[in-house]
Formats: sequence, C-alpha cells, structure tokens
Amino acid sequence: NAGVTQTPKFQVLKTGQSMTLQCAQDMNHEYMSWYRQDPGMGLRLIHYSVGAGITDQGEVPNGYNVSRSTTEDFPLRLLSAAPSQTSVYFCASSYTPPRSGGVYNEQFFGPGTRLTVL
Amino acid sequence: AQSVTQLGSHVSVSEGALVLLRCNYSSSVPPYLFWYVQYPNQGLQLLLKYTSAATLVKGINGFEAEFKKSETSFHLTKPSAHMSDAAEYFCAVTSNTGNQFYFGTGTSLTVIP
Repeated sequence: NAGVTQTPKFQVLKTGQSMTLQCAQDMNHEYMSWYRQDPGMGLRLIHYSVGAGITDQGEVPNGYNVSRSTTEDFPLRLLSAAPSQTSVYFCASSYTPPRSGGVYNEQFFGPGTRLTVL
Repeated sequence: AQSVTQLGSHVSVSEGALVLLRCNYSSSVPPYLFWYVQYPNQGLQLLLKYTSAATLVKGINGFEAEFKKSETSFHLTKPSAHMSDAAEYFCAVTSNTGNQFYFGTGTSLTVIP
C-alpha cells in the first residue's frame, strides 16, 4: 500500500491564483481530512469527509473547497490564493470517523504540501 | 467542546534523561487521546493512543502515557532519551460523539548529547 499520497510537495502561487492540492489513499478509508500547519498553532482542521459524497467544514474552512467523489480521493481547492494561506498542508485518513473509537480511528498522514503564496 | 493544551513549546533534555511532555485536555464527554510525532519535513505518525481500555498506554519507541481523569492529563514519558527522539510532538483529542480531532500546538523536543 502507498498509504496517503499528496501532490505536489511544493508549490508557489501568486495572490489570486487558484490551485488544487491532491490527496489520495489506497486503504479504503472512510474518513479523510485536510489540515494546515502553521508555526506555534499546531494543526488546524480545514475540511473533512466521512464518506464519498459527504463533506463538512472544520475549524478554518474559509477560502477552501473540497469534494469527495470517490472513496480514494479528497482534493483541496484554493479558490483565490492569499498570503495568509501560506502554510504546510496535510491530508489524513482513517478507516472510521473519530467517534468510532477502538482501533479504527487512527489517522494516517500524508507527507504534506508546502505552499507559499506571494 | 474539546481541546488540548501542551505546556512548553520547547523542551530540552540530555541524552539518557527522562522525557516528559505535558498534555492537558478539555472534554465534556469521555475522550480518546493521542500522541503523534513529526520528524523534520515529514507527516505525523502515531506514537500511542488512549481509548479507555487501560489508563497506562504503551507506544512505539519506548514511549508511554498515562491517562489521569482527575487531572485531565495525558502526559507522554520516556525513561531515557535518545538522539533520534528529537522531533515535534503533538497531543490530540476526539470523542465518541465527534467527527473531528483537535490538536495541541506541539512541543519541540531537543536532545542534547
């Protein structure tokens, strides 16, 4: 299994440009999520999905869109990039949603995408 | 609402010394608690998790954590630090009613030779 993959690894955008960060997992995980990591702020949840066709907002959703048309893929779209969106973005997945407990809600993280908006 | 607080954004220990990283949680329902480690330029990987089965949880690389309900704490310890333990450590909480994980702000561990 490749686990959770993210592309690209690095990206530089100009203010106002749009782009899509790709995330894919091959573990048949039901739950997928996007986080941004900023110095001194830990990881903050942007959007999450509990299954294909179902998405919801996290803590910091403004300026980002997501969709989940398949179990495997969960792309994150920046509609009009702003310097405040300069960050490292992580995609994560788990077999079941966090509330399920047991052994199935462990999140597996991708390697991250480092985004700079000029 | 749930949250975690990690006391100390930077911790330095000597090689061979005890590692203690602090995490306090806030949750109105029984929590699930996690510790993740992040090595430079990598994603996060799970160290250990508490899901109410046992209060003392053992993880990978010799780390363990104890859930103390009375103190609302889930501190991470390791008896003897290795140079390879230098990394960023994150505490996270969720619950049996939630769809989200909440992460702390992280603690950067430095190991001094």
